[in-house]
Amino acid sequence: DIQMTQSPSSLSASVGDRVTITCRASQNIGNYLNWHQQKPGRAPKLLIYSASSLQSGVPSRFSGSGSGTDFTLTISSLQPEDFATYYCQRSSGAPFTFGPGTKVDIK
Amino acid sequence: QVQLVQSGAEVKKPGASVKVSCKASGYTLTGYYLHWVRQAPGDGLEWMGWLNPNSGDTKYAQNFEGRVTMTRDTSINTAYMELSRLTSDDTALYYCARSRGGYCTGGRCFFEAFDIWGQGTMVTVSS
Repeated sequence: DIQMTQSPSSLSASVGDRVTITCRASQNIGNYLNWHQQKPGRAPKLLIYSASSLQSGVPSRFSGSGSGTDFTLTISSLQPEDFATYYCQRSSGAPFTFGPGTKVDIK
Repeated sequence: QVQLVQSGAEVKKPGASVKVSCKASGYTLTGYYLHWVRQAPGDGLEWMGWLNPNSGDTKYAQNFEGRVTMTRDTSINTAYMELSRLTSDDTALYYCARSRGGYCTGGRCFFEAFDIWGQGTMVTVSS
């Protein structure tokens, strides 16, 4: 099975910071990559699909890039409501594996 | 409003089975594949399998083969996930999630996005 890894596993940042999270697939998955945000006690929420497309209603400070095996989620200016855990997920062929998550908390 | 509404929390004894429901609202269940994902306390997300509500076809993750059954009742726009032979390791939040933009070829399925999630159902397995 294709494995998904993320780095870092956690980071501390301040409001207004630019934040970058990396996701790597163990094999080529094309652009079949989603990014989800999860806050404590809440269901995941789709942010980015097809590696770089912004889901409707998601603020434009979120962006995604990459294809093949290496992907990036960027938050251009971190806001208080962005402190959460972020998961990448492949959506090409089962199993639709998630990365282990990156927790973003307040510095 | 497009949403998935799941059934309430469950407490089960080891060895028992649990059946969780997921009702689609604001769209027709048969129009999109439906997935089940679980999250153990303090852990990450684990994909369990998908259901094609139109045909009833399913695909299960290897970890759950033989223990999980995904079904639907199209007359009430509801999908179900039943997990049997429960152990304490099955204590988790169980989510249903809709995927869009999907197609299947050569036995593999590809989806554009997992775009709508249910609120989650807590299943606790304890003696």
